[in-house]
Amino acid sequence: GQSLEQPSEVTAVEGAIVQINCTYQTSGFYGLSWYQQHDGGAPTFLSYNALDGLEETGRFSSFLSRSDSYGYLLLQELQMKDSASYFCAVIETGRRALTFGSGTRLQVQP
Amino acid sequence: NAGVTQTPKFQVLKTGQSMTLQCAQDMNHNSMYWYRQDPGMGLRLIYYSASEGTTDKGEVPNGYNVSRLNKREFSLRLESAAPSQTSVYFCASSGGSMGGNTGELFFGEGSRLTVL
Repeated sequence: GQSLEQPSEVTAVEGAIVQINCTYQTSGFYGLSWYQQHDGGAPTFLSYNALDGLEETGRFSSFLSRSDSYGYLLLQELQMKDSASYFCAVIETGRRALTFGSGTRLQVQP
Repeated sequence: NAGVTQTPKFQVLKTGQSMTLQCAQDMNHNSMYWYRQDPGMGLRLIYYSASEGTTDKGEVPNGYNVSRLNKREFSLRLESAAPSQTSVYFCASSGGSMGGNTGELFFGEGSRLTVL
């Protein structure tokens, strides 16, 4: 089985940097993904870490440390449109589907 | 390019009624999934189909059935709806078996189901 833990809410101001953490307990997995979901919308893919280290995509970066069972999503130069929920998810070995965390609601304030 | 299309977008049912949620993708993806999302929560996997002709249970399969009609279509059926099945249902697809691809799912816009 697995368990993914994320903070339920994070608040930050426009232009700042925010880090959303994800810790997990699973016997084995292929990689860690991050998704964004605006209220009333569908989840959209942000990033995927198959290997340890940092992956950068524009203002967003994602990090994975398998030895620490830990990953994070880093959002830089925050904009109001970044207000959304962010989910980490893993692909466990032996299951060909993503398992999602409960999500972190990010509120960006002016 | 439509991507993943779900119908209906909204539905109200009475307890005990049955209905089928339809999902189709036009990206030639092998794998398709049904998730449910309750308020303030993450997505929970109901069923998935790693390839045409196969289906597997996810975390919360009770009360649901699925059919992988062909490579494009994956339907979810509620045989006897219960208030606990009030939720937003998302269909998703991915290009290959999850172990080998980039961890990217493509989601439909969701179907909002209320069971009274």
